[in-house]
Amino acid sequence: QVHLQESGPGLVKPSETLSLTCAVSGGSINNYFWSWIRQPPGKGLEWIGYIYHSGSTYYNPSLKSRVTISVDSSKTQFSLKLSSVTAADTAVYYCARVHSDPDGFQTFDYWGQGTLVTVSS
Amino acid sequence: DFQLTQSPSSLSASVGDRVTITCRASESIANYLNWYQHHSGKAPKLLIYAASNLQSGVPSRFSGSGSGTHFTLTISSLQPEDFATYFCQQSYSTPHTFGQGTKLDIK
Repeated sequence: QVHLQESGPGLVKPSETLSLTCAVSGGSINNYFWSWIRQPPGKGLEWIGYIYHSGSTYYNPSLKSRVTISVDSSKTQFSLKLSSVTAADTAVYYCARVHSDPDGFQTFDYWGQGTLVTVSS
Repeated sequence: DFQLTQSPSSLSASVGDRVTITCRASESIANYLNWYQHHSGKAPKLLIYAASNLQSGVPSRFSGSGSGTHFTLTISSLQPEDFATYFCQQSYSTPHTFGQGTKLDIK
């Protein structure tokens, strides 16, 4: 059973960089996309972006200028960096595995339970 | 971006009830629509993919239908563990987008 676990600081100051890591266990990191998704309090989910095990990345245009997703296959983990944060970046951040089938259908088939990051001075 | 609008935003029901949640897309997304269940504080769970396909291990009381811009998730007979938030997600095009969620609670 694949398990994902987010980790990182729960409090980040405005204008600084938010950094989170997602540890993957119970399965290989190879041959999958790995994604970050967030949910601000009281709002819907927002896809941040994803990375293939080889390092290719795809970001939400709304966040692209501030986002970096990277992967460390040797440690079976991937990471998120979001720069120049403001209070609007306060959210529960989830990591998830992307399953792609031969017909092009993609799903987030495994998720972490999420970690709350608050942006405040 | 493809906007997804779910209705209702909240729903009260009883064990044994049949419930239906709707997800409407701003443009046609064919059948690139997935449904998830989320219990607060836990990892979201994939229920239905490609509009109508049951994910492995998901009980058969869950079903999905639709194509184009109109989709539904139906739970045929609510069980106590089904009280949660449900959300839809489109994978037709990036950026992937989600519905705002439907919170299902006990009447």
